Amino acid sequence: AQTVTQSQPEMSVQEAETVTLSCTYDTSESDYYLFWYKQPPSRQMILVIRQEAYKQQNATENRFSVNFQKAAKSFSLKISDSQLGDAAMYFCAYRSSGAGSYQLTFGKGTKLSVIP
Amino acid sequence: GAGVSQSPSNKVTEKGKDVELRCDPISGHTALYWYRQSLGQGLEFLIYFQGNSAPDKSGLPSDRFSAERTGGSVSTLTIQRTQQEDSAVYLCASSRGQGANYGYTFGSGTRLTIV
Repeated sequence: AQTVTQSQPEMSVQEAETVTLSCTYDTSESDYYLFWYKQPPSRQMILVIRQEAYKQQNATENRFSVNFQKAAKSFSLKISDSQLGDAAMYFCAYRSSGAGSYQLTFGKGTKLSVIP
Repeated sequence: GAGVSQSPSNKVTEKGKDVELRCDPISGHTALYWYRQSLGQGLEFLIYFQGNSAPDKSGLPSDRFSAERTGGSVSTLTIQRTQQEDSAVYLCASSRGQGANYGYTFGSGTRLTIV
């Protein structure tokens, strides 16, 4: 079974600065998807960024980028120019790309605070 | 609808009572998922629907939990004889299809508190 580990329960960053959230995972599969979700106080999980394991290029979405190290099974999220609205829980998630796969496996999350 | 709608938003109920949680997915989304988020934990998979069928119920914690989906649309998660450990946020998500290339859209969840 796959596992996802987020080793930083809480992080803080100064507004306009850069912060990196860590995520490691364990799998024996070669093809899969990795995700970062943001959960603000509204509770809705919002997709921040997605990475397909077969793509070597790191995904980017505006101020959000990932450092995907497949051999190390590491998938960190970098938030540049942090904004107050970035304050939230961030969850790393894994999904197999195999036929019949549908389940997301989540880490326990990192609470990000943004300091004005 | 434009998004995944869940009701009620919050529910407080006495231990031993039954509760029903509702999820209204995005129109046309054939796949529907229920997850549970306990305090300080990540999301725990409960059940998956493809259309009205639930091919995987393996995540349901006990036989007190059941779920159904009708008309390929609305789903109800029922918890019978609630216990305090059932207190959690219950999140529903839907997707256009089952494949990994289809993204999930989550609702805002139901916060269930058992007193």
